[in-house]
Amino acid sequence: NAGVTQTPKFQVLKTGQSMTLQCAQDMNHNSMYWYRQDPGMGLRLIYYSASEGTTDKGEVPNGYNVSRLNKREFSLRLESAAPSQTSVYFCASRPTGNTEAFFGQGTRLTVV
Amino acid sequence: TQLLEQSPQFLSIQEGENLTVYCNSSSVFSSLQWYRQEPGEGPVLLVTVVTGGEVKKLKRLTFQFGDARKDSSLHITAAQPGDTGLYLCAGEPRDSGYALNFGKGTSLLVTP
Repeated sequence: NAGVTQTPKFQVLKTGQSMTLQCAQDMNHNSMYWYRQDPGMGLRLIYYSASEGTTDKGEVPNGYNVSRLNKREFSLRLESAAPSQTSVYFCASRPTGNTEAFFGQGTRLTVV
Repeated sequence: TQLLEQSPQFLSIQEGENLTVYCNSSSVFSSLQWYRQEPGEGPVLLVTVVTGGEVKKLKRLTFQFGDARKDSSLHITAAQPGDTGLYLCAGEPRDSGYALNFGKGTSLLVTP
């Protein structure tokens, strides 16, 4: 049971570099989410996708773009990384509203 | 401004003590969820409360959803070191289109 798989687990970027964080779920869930977690800030919603073909901004979308490639995959792209984007990023999925969200193991990103 | 306000942010208690964690908002939620997160892992669901005034028990943990569906509480009886972790409340406001938002969390430390 893979659940939600995130790659990579760790990444160091230089300021201005770009990268894509990958997320895939094998539970046939409709909704997928990207969060960032910083000390003392809990989980802040970056973008979400309620269903295949739709994406919406969350609380902190600036500096990020997303793609819901298909029902399984939801990627997060940093076009020009900044030190303020140093964080732990979590992907999550759930069947629909009011249901349990399942999380990946997280990606620890450092921008220097 | 955080949609969901949690208090306290940090709590350090001794084994056997009782504690209550609060989650408050000015918005109405169709449901609220409580998650627990261990270091280096993604959050894991503890409970979902759906009906205003609802009380759910999970062993020594008691969860309550406010009558107006704007707040929730988590009460732990006779805390144990194994209860140590980050407790997060989460919910999607009405008409939010499945945007699952989290509070900042309460970091609990239970010492023997």
